[in-house]
Amino acid sequence: GESVGLHLPTLSVQEGDNSIINCAYSNSASDYFIWYKQESGKGPQFIIDIRSNMDKRQGQRVTVLLNKTVKHLSLQIAATQPGDSAVYFCAENRKEAAGNKLTFGGGTRVLVKP
Amino acid sequence: DTEVTQTPKHLVMGMTNKKSLKCEQHMGHRAMYWYKQKAKKPPELMFVYSYEKLSINESVPSRFSPECPNSSLLNLHLHALQPEDSALYLCASSQKYQGLLTYEQYFGPGTRLTVT
Repeated sequence: GESVGLHLPTLSVQEGDNSIINCAYSNSASDYFIWYKQESGKGPQFIIDIRSNMDKRQGQRVTVLLNKTVKHLSLQIAATQPGDSAVYFCAENRKEAAGNKLTFGGGTRVLVKP
Repeated sequence: DTEVTQTPKHLVMGMTNKKSLKCEQHMGHRAMYWYKQKAKKPPELMFVYSYEKLSINESVPSRFSPECPNSSLLNLHLHALQPEDSALYLCASSQKYQGLLTYEQYFGPGTRLTVT
């Protein structure tokens, strides 16, 4: 999702349900994408990455899907747990003349309800 | 050890002060980064060091001065900051910066800076 003003988009999900977080990226030349989780008062924590030559990658309870046609990235969390409550950022690696730059999306807050 | 450490955790400084933020990693990474994060916003890249040399400066004001004394350490020297510079300053490292592959970045916990 994209942030609007100072309000992060929020996804409320029941514990045990699956979560899907979406992200649109802007640069068709981006070759690498990462999902980060950021808990309150902490730095971003790597969750999973995917290169542009793939369209799906699975980790432990997480799956990232990449649709290069529409420049869309999603993160699926299976059996969401209270510890999954955090802000989730997608990031794209843009290859620019000056060098590679990791550019973050606006973030989505996930709230897990018990 | 997959940890990036940052000191101090919190810093309050006046506009005339000079202070430094420190970042350290012992993963053998040769690329290190500084990001700035305002509340409810994503991190924004400030500087990139590759093999201890400055590769990218994202037009950051000169009151922020980075330094990479060796491959494990990254400093950010602060002087004459403004209240709007108050933010979470994040350090990150990755195996390499340039090359055929792009490498994941590991972030530290950040330094919460307040400029009064």
